[in-house]
Amino acid sequence: AQSVSQHNHHVILSEAASLELGCNYSYGGTVNLFWYVQYPGQHLQLLLKYFSGDPLVKGIKGFEAEFIKSKFSFNLRKPSVQWSDTAEYFCAVGNRDDKIIFGKGTRLHILP
Amino acid sequence: EAGVAQSPRYKIIEKRQSVAFWCNPISGHATLYWYQQILGQGPKLLIQFQNNGVVDDSQLPKDRFSAERLKGVDSTLKIQPAKLEDSAVYLCASSRGTDGSPLHFGNGTRLTVT
Repeated sequence: AQSVSQHNHHVILSEAASLELGCNYSYGGTVNLFWYVQYPGQHLQLLLKYFSGDPLVKGIKGFEAEFIKSKFSFNLRKPSVQWSDTAEYFCAVGNRDDKIIFGKGTRLHILP
Repeated sequence: EAGVAQSPRYKIIEKRQSVAFWCNPISGHATLYWYQQILGQGPKLLIQFQNNGVVDDSQLPKDRFSAERLKGVDSTLKIQPAKLEDSAVYLCASSRGTDGSPLHFGNGTRLTVT
């Protein structure tokens, strides 16, 4: 069965710090990988996705994620965070039937 | 394009009562999902439709939850009777249905069962 594990439940950083949020998944077949973000008071929205090809994918707002197949990981990174990045971040894994499973989320708080 | 519409935004009921949520997906999206998000947790898939057929309902508590997607467009999710542990945000999402197409979420319905 598919599962997604996010290592950090709550992260606090200062502006301009670098960010890395961990995500590991468990699934035996070919996967599609996603990061979704939920800003305060808003609905979930797609940050970036990986289907195939270059394992380093770039998303909106300067975020990127790297798929490492051997480690079953898809960590999210940003070199320099901003106060506006305060949000909850969800890693998600999809299979070929478009069944998409989410991790428990990481709440990111950026100090101004 | 118009987003995924959900109603109501909030609902408060007593345990053992029934409740229904409605979702209108983005026009042309073949796949529709209902997720349950309990406070502090990630969204948990309850049911996935492809057009008007059920693809996955393995995590739907079928003794009390039901969902339908008549005509392959709008969908309703019902809980009868509700329990305290059903308090959560119920999210509807849709996608084009092609392999790996991303989900578009509605604003959700926050259910409180007292």
